[in-house]
Amino acid sequence: EAGVAQSPRYKIIEKRQSVAFWCNPISGHATLYWYQQILGQGPKLLIQFQNNGVVDDSQLPKDRFSAERLKGVDSTLKIQPAKLEDSAVYLCASSLVVTAEADTQYFGPGTRLTVL
Amino acid sequence: AQSVTQLDSQVPVFEEAPVELRCNYSSSVSVYLFWYVQYPNQGLQLLLKYLSGSTLVKGINGFEAEFNKSQTSFHLRKPSVHISDTAEYFCAVTRGGSYIPTFGRGTSLIVHP
Repeated sequence: EAGVAQSPRYKIIEKRQSVAFWCNPISGHATLYWYQQILGQGPKLLIQFQNNGVVDDSQLPKDRFSAERLKGVDSTLKIQPAKLEDSAVYLCASSLVVTAEADTQYFGPGTRLTVL
Repeated sequence: AQSVTQLDSQVPVFEEAPVELRCNYSSSVSVYLFWYVQYPNQGLQLLLKYLSGSTLVKGINGFEAEFNKSQTSFHLRKPSVHISDTAEYFCAVTRGGSYIPTFGRGTSLIVHP
């Protein structure tokens, strides 16, 4: 079974530029998550999708971050414009069932973003 | 709101020695508890989870954790570690009715030969 795929693995941009990350979850997984992991901290949930609908985006900085999951499969996370404090690893995860509070999440390898 | 405290940022240990990584949580409602491992340049992988039932949970790679409701703890243990266990370990909690997990800051386990 293929795991969660993410690209690119690394990205370096200058502040005020735009960047996009892509995630392809495990086939058949209904729920998709985007996390931000700042160095030295645990992952923080940015947004959760259930199929192609948003379940929770309360921690997403909507003035600069956006995300979509077209057709309920793969997803993109965009930052526009980027700030220095956005430097982090962006993790995508997916889980099988809709009621995901106790379900196992499967994580991708992450995209390491450096904003200069 | 729930919170997770991992009391040790770094735990050095010699190979074949036992190890305990500590995790405490705070929540006013029932919770589900998880331990994840993150190897360098990789995503998180689930080690084990507590949902209900037996308070001693066994996971992959010889790890186990014990849920202690009175002490609000969920410490991770392994009786004999290997060099390959060197990684970052994260404790996480979700509460019933909420899909938003809260992660601790992580504990770096460093196994020396």
